[in-house]
Amino acid sequence: DAKTTQPPSMDCAEGRAANLPCNHSTISGNEYVYWYRQIHSQGPQYIIHGLKNNETNEMASLIITEDRKSSTLILPHATLRDTAVYYCIAYGGATNKLIFGTGTLLAVQP
Amino acid sequence: DTEVTQTPKHLVMGMTNKKSLKCEQHMGHRAMYWYKQKAKKPPELMFVYSYEKLSINESVPSRFSPECPNSSLLNLHLHALQPEDSALYLCASSQQPPGTVNYEQYFGPGTRLTVT
Repeated sequence: DAKTTQPPSMDCAEGRAANLPCNHSTISGNEYVYWYRQIHSQGPQYIIHGLKNNETNEMASLIITEDRKSSTLILPHATLRDTAVYYCIAYGGATNKLIFGTGTLLAVQP
Repeated sequence: DTEVTQTPKHLVMGMTNKKSLKCEQHMGHRAMYWYKQKAKKPPELMFVYSYEKLSINESVPSRFSPECPNSSLLNLHLHALQPEDSALYLCASSQQPPGTVNYEQYFGPGTRLTVT
């Protein structure tokens, strides 16, 4: 499975959009980009996933570049409850395992 | 119901004890997973059950013994653990096992295990 690279931490003001980047330059054609988040002391929570096209759901939007080497998770109006570690995962391929990287700690500030 | 439940929430056990962690889902999911998460680290996959059969064992020591009695239940039996096994143990489930279409995994809140 492709390795992903994320910044270790980011800040965002409450009410503003949070844009979380992820690099996955070695992603293969059959690997999906998945995003999960983990709020402190809770289990990870699925957010969104995509293969090639941009995706949107009630939680977030996922923008995948045309070459699929990077993506951005967008939380349109961040709240304090969005403070969490966000994991970008390339899932599928040969091993088909959800392999978590170190993620990005997003701190939403009041 | 999109919930995965885990019991107990907290467990303290000695190195000679035998205990079990329990996980339950009623979403009709056919794959279930155990993950281990050490403090300030990401979750690490331990076991995968597909259609109640063990399909992946990530070279986990035999002191951890998984069991899937039926499609809704997943247990993790613990015996002769070491203090370094102290961690958050997470259970997850997905509609189908990983394959051509990868379904999202739903995680439980975890069991925080302390081995003394």
